[in-house]
This record gives sequence, structure tokens and C-alpha cells, in this order.
Amino acid sequence: AQSVTQLDSQVPVFEEAPVELRCNYSSSVSVYLFWYVQYPNQGLQLLLKYLSGSTLVKGINGFEAEFNKSQTSFHLRKPSVHISDTAEYFCAVSGAGGTSYGKLTFGQGTILTVHP
Amino acid sequence: KAGVTQTPRYLIKTRGQQVTLSCSPISGHRSVSWYQQTPGQGLQFLFEYFSETQRNKGNFPGRFSGRQFSNSRSEMNVSTLELGDSALYLCASSLADSYEQYFGPGTRLTVT
Repeated sequence: AQSVTQLDSQVPVFEEAPVELRCNYSSSVSVYLFWYVQYPNQGLQLLLKYLSGSTLVKGINGFEAEFNKSQTSFHLRKPSVHISDTAEYFCAVSGAGGTSYGKLTFGQGTILTVHP
Repeated sequence: KAGVTQTPRYLIKTRGQQVTLSCSPISGHRSVSWYQQTPGQGLQFLFEYFSETQRNKGNFPGRFSGRQFSNSRSEMNVSTLELGDSALYLCASSLADSYEQYFGPGTRLTVT
């Protein structure tokens, strides 16, 4: 089984400042990792994913994340945020293997609020 | 390419009733997963269907069920609704044997 902990429930930041949203995971098997964003009254949009290869992955809207296997972390970063980045962000994990198809385990979410 | 669509978008039901939600995946996607999102429990996996078969199931009571049709469209049903079933129900689709899921806008169910 997998579990995900998002270390901050809320992160306030000023516009054009850098931001890091922290995510730790636990799993007894290899994992695939994802970050999703949810705007009010909408579904989830995939920001980026780590499946294999380079541990630094780049996603949409200028976001990137680094997979750290030894620290079981997958922190999301953006060097300069915009007002439009205000949303809730979810880290998710899937176990690698046939029995894990279609099942994502999510963290509790981090609300990012960008102030002008 | 059109995204995942869910109908209806909003639904109000009375305790004890049953409800059916519908999900149409992205064209070519054969896997459909369902999630429940509530403020208290967050996002929780309900079940996943592939080629009309349930491949994976979360820890929800038997009142929650689903099915998938030959065109990959999926429905989920909740019987004997309880107040605690009020939630946003999200559907996600993916390619066969892919871990990358794409979500629909959700159905907001309110049970009174």
C-alpha cells in the first residue's frame, strides 16, 4: 500500500516569489509520482509526472519537481509564481505493477495563495 | 481531442434514494477510475474499470458500485444514499496499462 503526506496545508506567497510545495510518500514497492492542480469548482489537471529516468521533471505552467528516492520525497517548485497559480495542489502516488492500475493515492492537498 | 466528460454536473438527492453518475472517457482511453472528494476525507479511490471488468477497488461499502460499457463509458451507482455521501465525484480515464490519469470536472452530489 502507498501513502502520501503533504507537509503544508496552506502556503501563502507573494507574486513573483519562488514557492516549494512539499510531498513525502511511503511505499513498499516502486512508485510513480504525480502532481495535480485543482481550481475552484473544477476537476484535477495533471501538472507533471515522474515515471522513470531523470529525477528532475518539468511540467506545465513553469512547474518542476524532483524525485528523491532516498528521502522518499517529490517536492513541487516554481521559481516565480503568478496570481493565477492560486489553487489547491495535490501530490499523488501509484504503485508500479499490474495491481495498481487505475489507483492513485492522494495527499490531503496544499492550498497555494498568491498575494499581489 | 475532447476531455473526460461527466454528467450531470450537479445533483441533489434525498437520503435513502439512489443515484447514477455517468462518465465518458477520452477517446481511446479504456481505463476509467472513480474517486470521491470530501473536505474531511480528501480524495479517495472508489474503483477502476478496464474492458468492462473491475480491476481494482477501494474501501467503500457495497452501496457503491459501478460498471463499464463496451464503448468504455462508465457509470457509478450509489444506493440508499446517506448524508455522508455528499461529495464531489471525479472520474478519470487513462490509456490501457498507463498510470497517467486525466480527470473530468466532477459531479457534485448533495444529499439532503
